[in-house]
Order: sequence, then C-alpha cells, then structure tokens
Amino acid sequence: ETGVTQSPTHLIKTRGQQVTLRCSSQSGHNTVSWYQQALGQGPQFIFQYYREEENGRGNFPPRFSGLQFPNYSSELNVNALELDDSALYLCASSLAGFSYNSPLHFGNGTRLTVT
Amino acid sequence: RKEVEQDPGPFNVPEGATVAFNCTYSNSASQSFFWYRQDCRKEPKLLMSVYSSGNEDGRFTAQLNRASQYISLLIRDSKLSDSATYLCVVNDADSNYQLIWGAGTKLIIKP
Repeated sequence: ETGVTQSPTHLIKTRGQQVTLRCSSQSGHNTVSWYQQALGQGPQFIFQYYREEENGRGNFPPRFSGLQFPNYSSELNVNALELDDSALYLCASSLAGFSYNSPLHFGNGTRLTVT
Repeated sequence: RKEVEQDPGPFNVPEGATVAFNCTYSNSASQSFFWYRQDCRKEPKLLMSVYSSGNEDGRFTAQLNRASQYISLLIRDSKLSDSATYLCVVNDADSNYQLIWGAGTKLIIKP
C-alpha cells in the first residue's frame, strides 16, 4: 500500500510569486484535502477534492486554488504569495468525500517560506 | 469563541504517570470526534476516534461528554515516546461536516 506523498518537501518563495504543491493520495483513496498549518496552530482546512471536483472549502481567498486528477492526485496552487502564507501545507487522503467518520492519512507536508 | 479549544500546555509529566487533557467544542450538533497525534515537524496521525460510550485502545482512553461539549484523552503508564502534540478534531455540522482542528496540547514525558 502506497502512502500519501507530497512534493516538494521545502520551498522558499518571494512575496508576489506563485507556487504549486503536489500530492499523491494513498492507493484506493478518492478524496484529497489540503490543510495549512502555521507554527503553533492546528491545521486549517483549505479545500477538499472528490472525484476531481471541489466539494468543500474553508475560509481561504480565491488565490488558493486546486485540482484533482483522474488518478486522484492533486495540486494546490497559491497565487500572489503573502508573507502570512508561510506555513506547513498538508495533504490528506481519505475515502468517500465528506464521510465524516473516514480517517485522514496525511503526507509529510510541504514547508513553504515566503520572504 | 474558538470552535475547538485545547490547553496548549506543555504538560510536563514523569514517565509512568497518568495524564489527561480535555478539548471543548462549540457546536452541539457535531457528530464525530477524533484525537490525532503530531510529532515535532511531522504530519498528524490518527490516534483514535472518540465514541459516545467512550473507548479504550491500550493505554489510551477517550471520553465524550455531550452535555458539557468536551472530549478527553487519558494516557496511562506514560512512555517517553508519548511526547508529542495531541490534536483534538471535531466535525462541523454547519459546514458539511468539515473537520475543525484544535491548536493542540503539547505533552512532554520526562524520564
């Protein structure tokens, strides 16, 4: 069984730039969620993709966007980076959309630093 | 008021002791509750779900108190390897059951 993998592991960008983060879901999982975790905080839900459609979104501006591909892998894109976007970005895969008892399996995360 | 609140700690506990911490949630319609564990600079990992009747997994016991809207985690015979941040997670009944995360309670087990 292949776990959730994210790339890159670390990234440094300049304010105003754009970034794309990638995630491969655990085999057999059709749902991918993205979270932002600032230092000392819990993960904040960005959005979720189920069968290539966004089916839930947290309180993040439109410059945070995403995609899910037919193989269930996913991308998170952030435009016009701001200093406050510096955080650990976590991807989690699960089964069956917002089945609320479905446990999340996280990748190792991408640590983004915006300077 | 935050939707999910936890004491940030740190809780400094000697090895072998019992430790417990709570998490309060604001939405009484929430249906699912979880404890995740997160080691420093690592991803969160599911520790256990929390069921209405309470549940136990080895040295770990989780309880749900719906009347007072909190969940608890008790760790018996604590090990050095239990040192981590424990994140409380609650689904948000008003937002299509999205998961709302607490900021975590840091636990340090000392030899």
